[in-house]
Amino acid sequence: DAKTTQPTSMDCAEGRAANLPCNHSTISGNEYVYWYRQIHSQGPQYIIHGLKNNETNEMASLIITEDRKSSTLILPHATLRDTAVYYCIVRPTGFQKLVFGTGTRLLVSP
Amino acid sequence: DAGVTQSPTHLIKTRGQQVTLRCSPKSGHDTVSWYQQALGQGPQFIFQYYEEEERQRGNFPDRFSGHQFPNYSSELNVNALLLGDSALYLCASSLLAGGPHEQFFGPGTRLTVL
Repeated sequence: DAKTTQPTSMDCAEGRAANLPCNHSTISGNEYVYWYRQIHSQGPQYIIHGLKNNETNEMASLIITEDRKSSTLILPHATLRDTAVYYCIVRPTGFQKLVFGTGTRLLVSP
Repeated sequence: DAGVTQSPTHLIKTRGQQVTLRCSPKSGHDTVSWYQQALGQGPQFIFQYYEEEERQRGNFPDRFSGHQFPNYSSELNVNALLLGDSALYLCASSLLAGGPHEQFFGPGTRLTVL
C-alpha cells in the first residue's frame, strides 16, 4: 500500500479557502487518490477522488501534480461545519480496502 | 434512500465475552467492509465481504469473524473480548464491479470492554 504524508493539523478562517496537502511519492500508476473526512464521532465521509486529472465536485476540488507524487484538497469557502479530520488515501483500482493514516485535523474558526 | 445503518449504537461488554455487531449496506451496494477505529487513530481495515464470502482480510486475529447474508447485510463477531478491543467499529458499503467506487460509511458502533 502506498503511504501518504499529511500535516498533523491546520487552521483556517471561516469563509477562506482551506488547502490541505498530501504527499504520496510512492504512488503507482494504477492507484487513485481519495479524500475522506471524519467529523467527531461520526463515520468517515467520502469527499472526492482522482487518478491524474484535477477533479471538482460540490464539496471540494482535488489538484494532483503532474508527477502524481502529491495532491491538494481545496475547500473553497470553509465553514465551521468543515472542522474535521481529513484523510488522504491512495488505493489501486479493483481493490476495496482503504488504508487510513492519522490524517490532518482541520480547525475552522470564526 | 437510507444510507449505511449499524446496530447497536453503543455496547458495553466484559472481558472474555462475545459480541455481534450488525450492518445494513446502502441500497444497491453488494460489498461490506468492516473497520476498527481506536481512540485518536484512523480506521483499520478488518475484512470485506462479497457474495457471502470473505474477500480480503486485514491484520486481525481469528477472534474476529464475519458473515454476509443474501440481502447483503453483514455481521461482525468478536470472541473472547480483550480490553484492547474497545473501539468504534465502522461498516462501509460499496459496489464491487466497475470503477473505483467510493465506500459509504455508517455511523459506527462504540464498543467498550470492561
